[in-house]
Amino acid sequence: EVQLLEFGGDLAQPGGSLRLSCAASGFSFSSYAMNWVRQAPGKGLEWVSAISSSGGDTYYADSVKGRFTISRDQSKNTLDLQMNSLRAEDTAVYFCAKPKSGYSYVFDSWGQGTLVTVSS
Amino acid sequence: DIQMTQSPSSLSASVGDRVTITCRASQSISTYLNWYQQKPGKAPKLLIYAASSLQSGVPSRFSGSRSGTDFTLTINSLQPEDFATYYCQQSYSLRGDTFGQGTKLEIK
Repeated sequence: EVQLLEFGGDLAQPGGSLRLSCAASGFSFSSYAMNWVRQAPGKGLEWVSAISSSGGDTYYADSVKGRFTISRDQSKNTLDLQMNSLRAEDTAVYFCAKPKSGYSYVFDSWGQGTLVTVSS
Repeated sequence: DIQMTQSPSSLSASVGDRVTITCRASQSISTYLNWYQQKPGKAPKLLIYAASSLQSGVPSRFSGSRSGTDFTLTINSLQPEDFATYYCQQSYSLRGDTFGQGTKLEIK
């Protein structure tokens, strides 16, 4: 059974940094690209970032480009999101999401999410 | 950049009803359109992918269709567990909107 468990969400100050992690199990982690999707309180879903299966290619939404960095550790089966220069509008639940086999950006497995709150 | 317009934003219906939710893309996205269901405090759940393919384990009362750049999610014979928020998502391009704005389906 696929399991994705995010952690690292916390209260951070504007301009501060936070690092999220997602522990993956139940599938061949190194064979799949992985993604982060976020949801601000009471709002819709927003794709944030993706990383290729090898880790060699990364992609970002314009709203986080230059501030967030996605990475993965194949030996630990973990996906990370380093969040710098945080803004109030980054406040959201952050989900890691695995794509369906053979379908890029079709997310068939999600974690439970971790809450990031940016406030002074 | 692709813009996704989902409608309606909210919908009231009764158990047993048939409902449709629409998503329109600002340009051709072929069949790169997916539908998710999300319940409060939970992660989204994939229902339909590639416009009309039913995800494994999803009841057959859910169906998806495409007409050009217009996509429809249909739920036949609504069940109590179907009251949730539904999102469309285009997986054609990472430029612009990936998800629609959402449709909250409430009990009438």
